[in-house]
Amino acid sequence: DIQLTQSPSFLSASVGDRVTITCRASQGISSYLAWYQQKPGKAPKFLIYSASTLQSGVPSRFSGSGSGTEFTLTISSLQPEDFATYYCQQVNSYPLTFGPGTRVDIK
Amino acid sequence: EVQLVESGGYLVQPGGSLRLSCAASGFTFSDHYMDWVRQAPGKGLEWVGRSRNKAKSYTTEYAASVKGRFTISRDDSKNSLYLQMNSLKTEDTAVYYCARGLIVGATVYFDSWGQGTLVTVSS
Repeated sequence: DIQLTQSPSFLSASVGDRVTITCRASQGISSYLAWYQQKPGKAPKFLIYSASTLQSGVPSRFSGSGSGTEFTLTISSLQPEDFATYYCQQVNSYPLTFGPGTRVDIK
Repeated sequence: EVQLVESGGYLVQPGGSLRLSCAASGFTFSDHYMDWVRQAPGKGLEWVGRSRNKAKSYTTEYAASVKGRFTISRDDSKNSLYLQMNSLKTEDTAVYYCARGLIVGATVYFDSWGQGTLVTVSS
């Protein structure tokens, strides 16, 4: 199975900050990676696929990059509605796996 | 508008069975892969399994943790996805989400999710 790790697991940031979350895969997954945002008590929301393609309707302050084993999600200017937990997911091979999540809190 | 509505979550004893449903609307259900993903209380997301679409003969995939106990099926005439859960364990306690598959080349991503239904396995 492909294991995904995320760092940091928790970060505290202020509105307007630039935030970067890293996702590392235990083996190469090309660009077969997605990012999701989840708020408490809500379903995950699809943000980015193929490592760097923004899903329709997602604000342009979100961006993704990387390939192989290392990927990043960047929020260029954190907004109040961005405080949430972010998960990466690999779709390269079964079983599909998610990272453990990165919680972004208000400083 | 794409809508996915799960139902069927309940309190069940260990060893028991439960069937979850996911009612879909707003898109051509038969065209899409459909997946189940679960989230134990306070924990992360765990993929449960997949039903491929009609073009792929509705074949299925499962996580090792549920293989042999859970069965995914669908009824395209009713725009519905199902998860039959047998031999339930306490560690199956979770919110269960159905998710629509977005096919991108050779891969599939989850572009829409239901609101989830809570399954509690406890004596």
